[in-house]
Amino acid sequence: DSGVTQTPKHLITATGQRVTLRCSPRSGDLSVYWYQQSLDQGLQFLIQYYNGEERAKGNILERFSAQQFPDLHSELNLSSLELGDSALYFCASSAGTSPYNEQFFGPGTRLTVL
Amino acid sequence: GQQLNQSPQSMFIQEGEDVSMNCTSSSIFNTWLWYKQDPGEGPVLLIALYKAGELTSNGRLTAQFGITRKDSFLNISASIPSDVGIYFCAGQLGNQFYFGTGTSLTVIP
Repeated sequence: DSGVTQTPKHLITATGQRVTLRCSPRSGDLSVYWYQQSLDQGLQFLIQYYNGEERAKGNILERFSAQQFPDLHSELNLSSLELGDSALYFCASSAGTSPYNEQFFGPGTRLTVL
Repeated sequence: GQQLNQSPQSMFIQEGEDVSMNCTSSSIFNTWLWYKQDPGEGPVLLIALYKAGELTSNGRLTAQFGITRKDSFLNISASIPSDVGIYFCAGQLGNQFYFGTGTSLTVIP
């Protein structure tokens, strides 16, 4: 158990819909990262937040957005969903922003878009 | 986005054998990371490398940061059944993280 929790574990929805994925970081960690893992694209970095502020952006679509709240939990919002958005979405947390800070991954949310 | 070339894609080995996998990129990285992912779980960090030429061990695992900063390898010695899983390399440059395509390892008892 990494100490990172993600809800829900599974999500099934239809194209065009909007969903919210939630992540609670390990106690004391200030950084949260979101990743997408799909069969054809592999593991892709989406976005990083540190202490409530956006820190880095990766391959995140404009239809996707994220935020980190004052209690440090984070949410990833996916809108206008397409079939290709079906994937595992992982959240990871680390103590800070240094490359020496290990990232701990949550168990993931499996999103299926029908 | 950028993707790292990881090979081999899959390996089937006998218990007790040594394993080697590597990752190459067209870009240089400041950090190389190796992760293991078990089914239904998130990746777990195995080894982190921070300097070109660095050779680091973690039990039966050894990884090296290539001199050119564009490659890295991971060796597993004397494999055991619990080594089964998917191994990913990852490179970090600034605030960006890039992952390899993964090596699926099967260990036959």
